[in-house]
Amino acid sequence: GDSVTQTEGQVALSEEDFLTIHCNYSASGYPALFWYVQYPGEGPQFLFRASRDKEKGSSRGFEATYNKEATSFHLQKASVQESDSAVYYCALSENTGANTGKLTFGHGTILRVHP
Amino acid sequence: EAAVTQSPRSKVAVTGGKVTLSCHQTNNHDYMYWYRQDTGHGLRLIHYSYVADSTEKGDIPDGYKASRPSQENFSLILELASLSQTAVYFCASSGQGRENERLFFGHGTKLSVL
Repeated sequence: GDSVTQTEGQVALSEEDFLTIHCNYSASGYPALFWYVQYPGEGPQFLFRASRDKEKGSSRGFEATYNKEATSFHLQKASVQESDSAVYYCALSENTGANTGKLTFGHGTILRVHP
Repeated sequence: EAAVTQSPRSKVAVTGGKVTLSCHQTNNHDYMYWYRQDTGHGLRLIHYSYVADSTEKGDIPDGYKASRPSQENFSLILELASLSQTAVYFCASSGQGRENERLFFGHGTKLSVL
């Protein structure tokens, strides 16, 4: 079945550092790709999505580019802030046209940003 | 702002007991979902529903039942709770078409089975 792999389980950075969280996927079709963010004590929140090769998704200074050849959707931010500390989830949707909204999530990456 | 409310926020249950987790949404969304969150596993889909009075199995449905009595309400039922079902449970809703891939989550229910 479909799967999503996030390489980093935890990332520790200082404020104004550059962030990369790696996400690779395995899917039989042409999935839509997502990033969700979960702040402490809350449920995950949609960050952005991309649905075709070379499309860039972005929100709140975060961005990721759909790379079909590399089967990747890496999250980046040029300058992180302490308020970015959260768990980040990469996810995919089968995008079969049935539009069930069923997502397959990665295991999540804990980001800690120190002042 | 879309709103999904879960109750209770936390619960302690005994092994073999029955547990019901409730979810209410005011988004007028057709789709609702129950996900389970475990450390090291991320979020996994248990059950979902796209219309009232109908539910579908997700990726890990064993040991769980779901009920969707109305568009607004979606419950997750553990008939015989087990230690392995200790986790945080999230309910979510989404709209039609492309928007149904944008999930709106509740704050979660922390379930401890002892």
